[in-house]
Amino acid sequence: GDSVTQTEGQVALSEEDFLTIHCNYSASGYPALFWYVQYPGEGPQFLFRASRDKEKGSSRGFEATYDKGTTSFHLRKASVQESDSAVYYCALGAPSSNTNKVVFGTGTRLQVLP
Amino acid sequence: GPKVLQIPSHQIIDMGQMVTLNCDPVSNHLYFYWYKQILGQQMEFLVNFYNGKVMEKSKLFKDQFSVERPDGSYFTLKIQPTALEDSAVYFCASSPGRRSGNTLYFGEGSRLIVV
Repeated sequence: GDSVTQTEGQVALSEEDFLTIHCNYSASGYPALFWYVQYPGEGPQFLFRASRDKEKGSSRGFEATYDKGTTSFHLRKASVQESDSAVYYCALGAPSSNTNKVVFGTGTRLQVLP
Repeated sequence: GPKVLQIPSHQIIDMGQMVTLNCDPVSNHLYFYWYKQILGQQMEFLVNFYNGKVMEKSKLFKDQFSVERPDGSYFTLKIQPTALEDSAVYFCASSPGRRSGNTLYFGEGSRLIVV
């Protein structure tokens, strides 16, 4: 079935470091791809999405480019801040589902040290 | 951004009792969802709902679970009877349209503790 894989369970960086969180997907066709961020005690917040090959999504300095060739949607930020510490989820709008189902990856916990 | 409200934020309940979790979705949204998150773990899809009907449910959506949205009021998740393994945070989400992969907007979650 449709799925999302996030290889990093946890990432620890210092402020102003470059961030990459890897996301690969498995699905037929062109699923919509999303990044969500979850702060402690809160629900996931939508960051951005992309729906077509080579489309770039971005928000708050984060960005990711839809790559159908490598089935990836890696999250990047040039210079992280302590306030970026949170759990980041890659998600997929399942194209095999005609019910609008959205599947989440396992999440990556980002800790940014001052 | 759009707000989804969930009531209650926390509930402690005895095993075997019934619990109803309430969700007030974004006003013009058409699709509604419940996700389950055990502490420190991933978001797991339970069910989605459209036009008064369950569209899809996962294996986690046991027979003891039910959802409804009577007369456009709260979208509810009812668990009857509850079990210890139902302890988790339950997140409600809504999305505006029909196309696969529409953006979900989440509430703050309802933390359920079954003792």
